[in-house]
Amino acid sequence: DTAVSQTPKYLVTQMGNDKSIKCEQNLGHDTMYWYKQDSKKFLKIMFSYNNKELIINETVPNRFSPKSPDKAHLNLHINSLELGDSAVYFCASSQVAGGSDTQYFGPGTRLTVL
Amino acid sequence: QQQVKQSPQSLIVQKGGIPIINCAYENTAFDYFPWYQQFPGKGPALLIAIRPDVSEKKEGRFTISFNKSAKQFSLHIMDSQPGDSATYFCAASNDYKLSFGAGTTVTVRA
Repeated sequence: DTAVSQTPKYLVTQMGNDKSIKCEQNLGHDTMYWYKQDSKKFLKIMFSYNNKELIINETVPNRFSPKSPDKAHLNLHINSLELGDSAVYFCASSQVAGGSDTQYFGPGTRLTVL
Repeated sequence: QQQVKQSPQSLIVQKGGIPIINCAYENTAFDYFPWYQQFPGKGPALLIAIRPDVSEKKEGRFTISFNKSAKQFSLHIMDSQPGDSATYFCAASNDYKLSFGAGTTVTVRA
């Protein structure tokens, strides 16, 4: 059973389009995250939700909008895609909020904007 | 700005060698220091973690050394194997969020 799953695994789209990435965790965790990994492999947190409430929003353009319909799901919608949005996006979850608990990462979604 | 500085960017060792990855931080509020391992095409996974009240922690062939006064910590991979070839990230947390280092790609040659 996959603990943290993401769909799709690959996403290729044109500039200006709107796209969504879905994430689900079956670990019963309260906290979920979105990270962006750039071409140099640098990992940076974008958002964190705890019990469906946004607790971290790291100066991400407002074209990015996370949505958490329930504790097990955290989706990421991106409007008006730009070339610079090309990256691998990772969803993660942890039992408790904050950075001091093990975070379990999904397999990633590679987004390519043409 | 990057809150955790990691070096080197890449490392190649022979099987059985001991790759060493170093990290440094400035924020004295950090109180949790994990290392994550990432294989190509996969998400990062927790490898080992340490809190600043201990100077060393070992789990199998992986050892973290922690120097609180110098604000530095390092990962040693003892008796490295080709299967250890991966990218390793150090990180630090002050119970708000994890800040990652830039990553070190380790290649272990057979």
